[in-house]
Amino acid sequence: TQLLEQSPQFLSIQEGENLTVYCNSSSVFSSLQWYRQEPGEGPVLLVTVVTGGEVKKLKRLTFQFGDARKDSSLHITAAQPGDTGLYLCAATNTGNQFYFGTGTSLTVIP
Amino acid sequence: DADVTQTPRNRITKTGKRIMLECSQTKGHDRMYWYRQDPGLGLRLIYYSFDVKDINKGEISDGYSVSRQAQAKFSLSLESAIPNQTALYFCATSDRFGTGADTQYFGPGTRLTVL
Repeated sequence: TQLLEQSPQFLSIQEGENLTVYCNSSSVFSSLQWYRQEPGEGPVLLVTVVTGGEVKKLKRLTFQFGDARKDSSLHITAAQPGDTGLYLCAATNTGNQFYFGTGTSLTVIP
Repeated sequence: DADVTQTPRNRITKTGKRIMLECSQTKGHDRMYWYRQDPGLGLRLIYYSFDVKDINKGEISDGYSVSRQAQAKFSLSLESAIPNQTALYFCATSDRFGTGADTQYFGPGTRLTVL
């Protein structure tokens, strides 16, 4: 049973379009992270959110933590080919164990 | 130089062979983790260690063992490899306190193929 469900699993869009990726769980977590992974490399942290309702922005990327701290979304505005990669959400309680979502593979077509 | 290194980067072996994957870190972190990644399944935790004397099983530890030789080194062993252990393996580290405990730093991965 997957603790964190991500959707969609695959996404292929044209450069300049907007997109949203979702990470959902029935469990409450103390914090949630978003990572991006490129082929042949390990995941790299994009952001950590810790407060219910929190919104963080990283250039064209907007991250939101649900009010109940069970879900999160990643919104990309005006996607660029450099945004192509696998996006993973992860969650933890006190950092003891991390649980990862199944990932969303994003392809941005020039 | 990379903060978290893994060796080997690629390995092809046969069923029944013993394999060791090694991980070293220069971040000075106490916590280290081993994950495997399979298509459509994301990252799954195999083992984790909070210090040299603390080893814990993760979600999928069967068929694997680990050794924490020093704060900076954490190795993963497959005592008798089987084909369904073919996967991408990642080592990760994290700090112990505060928001650093919520962030993991990953190595580049080891692609293991068991024939």
